[in-house]
Parts: sequence; C-alpha cells; structure tokens
Amino acid sequence: KQEVTQIPAALSVPEGENLVLNCSFTDSAIYNLQWFRQDPGKGLTSLLLIQSSQREQTSGRLNASLDKSSGRSTLYIAASQPGDSATYLCAGTGGFKTIFGAGTRLFVKA
Amino acid sequence: EAGVAQSPRYKIIEKRQSVAFWCNPISGHATLYWYQQILGQGPKLLIQFQNNGVVDDSQLPKDRFSAERLKGVDSTLKIQPAKLEDSAVYLCASSPQGAGNTGELFFGEGSRLTVL
Repeated sequence: KQEVTQIPAALSVPEGENLVLNCSFTDSAIYNLQWFRQDPGKGLTSLLLIQSSQREQTSGRLNASLDKSSGRSTLYIAASQPGDSATYLCAGTGGFKTIFGAGTRLFVKA
Repeated sequence: EAGVAQSPRYKIIEKRQSVAFWCNPISGHATLYWYQQILGQGPKLLIQFQNNGVVDDSQLPKDRFSAERLKGVDSTLKIQPAKLEDSAVYLCASSPQGAGNTGELFFGEGSRLTVL
C-alpha cells in the first residue's frame, strides 16, 4: 500500500531564500509524481509532473526531482517570494491510484 | 480551455440532512476523481471513474455516500445522511488518460461542506 509523507509540515523563510520541500513514498512502482500548490480555500494547481522514466522537471523558479530507488522527490524553490506562500502537496500515481501527502505549509516573509 | 467546474462552492447543512455536489470535468477527459480533503490533511480518494464505470471506490463510505457519472461526462456525489465528520472540502479532478496510466490531474475549486 502506497504511503506518501511530506517533511517539513510547515516552513517559514525570509524572502529571497532558496528552499527544498521533501516528499517520500513507500512503493517505488509509481508511474509519476506530481507536485501541487494549494492556496487557502482553493483547489489544487498542478506545478510539475515527473514521469517515472524522468529524473527531474523544471518550471521557472521551480525544480522537482524524482529518485524512485530511494522513494524520494524534492521540490526546489529558488529565490522565494511572498507570493509563494501556500501549501505544497506531492502525489504519487501507481496501480490505478493517486495518493497524496499531507502537504507542507510554506510562509515566505517579506 | 475550460477547467474542472464544481458546484456549489459552499454548503452548510445540519447532521442527518442530505447534500449533493456536481462536477463537470475538462472536455474529453476520460477519468474523473472525487477526493475528500479534511482541514490540515491531504486529499483522500473517494471514488474514481473511467468514462462512466467505477475503477476504485474502496474508500467510499457506501452506507452514506454515493456517486454516479452519467454518460461518462458530469458526475454527482451525494451524502445521505450527513455526519459531523463529513465536514470537508470535496474536490473533483479529471485526467486525460485512462486508468492504469493516469497522467496529470486537473482539479476544480472544490465544494466546502460544513455539517452542524
């Protein structure tokens, strides 16, 4: 049974700092790993999707990596901004199911 | 391209009452998902449809929850009777690929349910 864990649960950083969010999963037989952003009271917005055959994906200041052998994915945010404040969720898809972590609540201080 | 549409955005009911949520996925998306997200937790899958057939409903509390996807497009999620612990955001998502090879998920804004 797939379990997805995100560390840390919450993070507060000053503006401009580079940061890393961690996601671990127990079943390495995943098809893809997706990172989402969720603002308060809103739905989930897809940020990056990494297929199982890929190692990383980049979009602007975001870079996500996937290491299936160790069961880990990281989301790197460069030069953080107050507008990056949100909850970041990772989700692993495999065996017909997409399982979510509980998320990391990020607060970027101006 | 229009996104996933959900309604209502907010609903407040008393326990033991019934409620229904509606979802219209992105046009052409074969797979539709209903997730329940309790405050502070990640979304939990309730039911997954491939066209109008059910792929997975193992975590759907079938004594009170039901869902259907008529004609493989729109979907309705119903709760009857509601309990206090059903207070959550109900998220609908769709994906352009079929079950077993699910690609990117696209989510709606969610329907927030408060049970008093």
